Amino acid sequence: SYVLTQPPSVSVAPGQTARITCEGNNVGSKSVHWYQQRPGQAPVLIVYNDANRLSGIPDRFSGSNSGNTATLIISRVEDGDEADYYCQVWDSNSEQVVFGGGTKVTVL
Amino acid sequence: QVQLEQSGAELKRPGASVKVSCKASGYTFTDYDINWVRQATGQGLEWMGWMNPKSGETGYARNFQGRVTMTRDTSKTTAFMEVNSLRTTDTAVYFCARGRGDLLSWGQGTLVTVSS
Repeated sequence: SYVLTQPPSVSVAPGQTARITCEGNNVGSKSVHWYQQRPGQAPVLIVYNDANRLSGIPDRFSGSNSGNTATLIISRVEDGDEADYYCQVWDSNSEQVVFGGGTKVTVL
Repeated sequence: QVQLEQSGAELKRPGASVKVSCKASGYTFTDYDINWVRQATGQGLEWMGWMNPKSGETGYARNFQGRVTMTRDTSKTTAFMEVNSLRTTDTAVYFCARGRGDLLSWGQGTLVTVSS
């Protein structure tokens, strides 16, 4: 089955840039979606189809996808960005939704 | 606005079954798939399966095939997810989510606790 691998944690100082990777075999051929989840809340879709932000999501959030790695970039990190982030694809071969393991972003 | 309202928390014994509901409003229920995703405490998101509310067609994650059933009542715009033969490791928050591909709208989650 298809596997997406994320780093368990990323730490970043306020105002700096956080990069969250999502690795999968030829993930560049798939559409990657990113979710933000704060403690005790449901996940929120923030980027879809690799690089498209949902309405209301700051342009500090951006996504890219090529080769075997998709990346979510959070520029000018703020305290409120502290959360868990998950990448996700639809694997058409198995007709399954696949989530990455999640990355906890800590703002120092 | 789109809303997915889930049923309340459940406490079950090992070996029992649980059925969680997800009432949709604010859109045409039969136009979008309903997915179910669970999350154990401190763990990541685990996809369980999807259902097409129009046709009733379903697709289940391998880990849940044979133990999970997804159904719907279109007259009540409500989707259901039932898990049988519950184990303590099934203790988790269960979410319904709308979409195929990206999951734009999510329910608030239902805590299912399995304990003897």
